[in-house]
Amino acid sequence: GAVVSQHPSRVICKSGTSVKIECRSLDFQATTMFWYRQFPKKSLMLMATSNEGSKATYEQGVEKDKFLINHASLTLSTLTVTSAHPEDSSFYICSARDYASGRAGSGELFFGEGSRLTVL
Amino acid sequence: GQQVMQIPQYQHVQEGEDFTTYCNSSTTLSNIQWYKQRPGGHPVFLIQLVKSGEVKKQKRLTFQFGEAKKNSSLHITATQTTDVGTYFCAGSKAAGNKLTFGGGTRVLVKP
Repeated sequence: GAVVSQHPSRVICKSGTSVKIECRSLDFQATTMFWYRQFPKKSLMLMATSNEGSKATYEQGVEKDKFLINHASLTLSTLTVTSAHPEDSSFYICSARDYASGRAGSGELFFGEGSRLTVL
Repeated sequence: GQQVMQIPQYQHVQEGEDFTTYCNSSTTLSNIQWYKQRPGGHPVFLIQLVKSGEVKKQKRLTFQFGEAKKNSSLHITATQTTDVGTYFCAGSKAAGNKLTFGGGTRVLVKP
């Protein structure tokens, strides 16, 4: 199946700093990627839809200036948590659909391994 | 907005027993998907249901889509320790549209 890779898998940062998380589709092109946030033992909350070459579409209640998303190529989307605070500590996961392989009909999402952010 | 709810939130199962987890949407869905997330891992796609009343099986797992396309269920028979994890359903109002995830059912298996 298609592979989505995230980096870093874990990051610890000081309050007030910014952290960038990368999401790459390794063997397919992804015009659209999705960024989720997951709290411990909770569900996946969609934060935004990342669109290649255009602005991301944010879900209601998600701060655009806080969570900057850039989708500059068909294989890379980045999420930057700006001026991070302890309440931003969470598990961030990206996902994408592989439209080119013919599996898009299933609508299956391929998830990255996730990035655990801890803000001190 | 669209809401997807799952029950139960937790499921403690004796190894070898069967159990069912249920998924209910506040709106009619185009399709529903099921994912499994192992502890410490990321969600992995299990299956997608598209047709009203559809039933699909994967070995010991049976997935069903309700006639009204607003609910779904996952039934696991003869539970094994490898079934441990959180099972999420996710619904979409249109094909290719964004998915709304349910709260998940966390499954613990007692050997």
